[in-house]
Amino acid sequence: GAGVSQSPSNKVTEKGKDVELRCDPISGHTALYWYRQSLGQGLEFLIYFQGNSAPDKSGLPSDRFSAERTGGSVSTLTIQRTQQEDSAVYLCASSLAGRSGANVLTFGAGSRLTVL
Amino acid sequence: GNSVTQMEGPVTLSEEAFLTINCTYTATGYPSLFWYVQYPGEGLQLLLKATKADDKGSNKGFEATYRKETTSFHLEKGSVQVSDSAVYFCALPRGNRDDKIIFGKGTRLHILP
Repeated sequence: GAGVSQSPSNKVTEKGKDVELRCDPISGHTALYWYRQSLGQGLEFLIYFQGNSAPDKSGLPSDRFSAERTGGSVSTLTIQRTQQEDSAVYLCASSLAGRSGANVLTFGAGSRLTVL
Repeated sequence: GNSVTQMEGPVTLSEEAFLTINCTYTATGYPSLFWYVQYPGEGLQLLLKATKADDKGSNKGFEATYRKETTSFHLEKGSVQVSDSAVYFCALPRGNRDDKIIFGKGTRLHILP
């Protein structure tokens, strides 16, 4: 697609429920990232995919968080048994492959999660 | 790993004022440095970048110079406009030749007409 697409744009859920957030990256971008943006906390790295594999899961805050990517394209971030502290905007980004450290990330508009 | 620190906001300026948003980093080697911007209601987007020491990145009237002596990458603009109101993030790779990009906490900029 023309840009990085995320859905839903807004999600309100009750504490304890599971949620799934979807990211559709730019076609041809093999690298995919998930970040969490909380008020006053900047962007917190969650997970990074190169193709379908996740070489870096170091940012996932707990075992309630998981992510997968299929077909080298769409990714789903799942949060189980949501807690109020999970409320944030979840951002997905994609970039062309490369290990130069100079990759430019293209971000989606984000999924705003509110846990009541 | 590398790290980045940027000035706390919010920063409020009048239109046509001079802007500086400070960003300093700690890093192994000389990583690429980035400024991203998030306009109200929009996703983050790259504003400018510099890939080596002494490089100057520029875009939309904004500039930032990669200064290895002071490990800084301060963002500047000579005359801000109301449309520059946004949140600005300084960023760099987590490690040497690392794909993962880490971000500062962001600086919110308000420009008054």
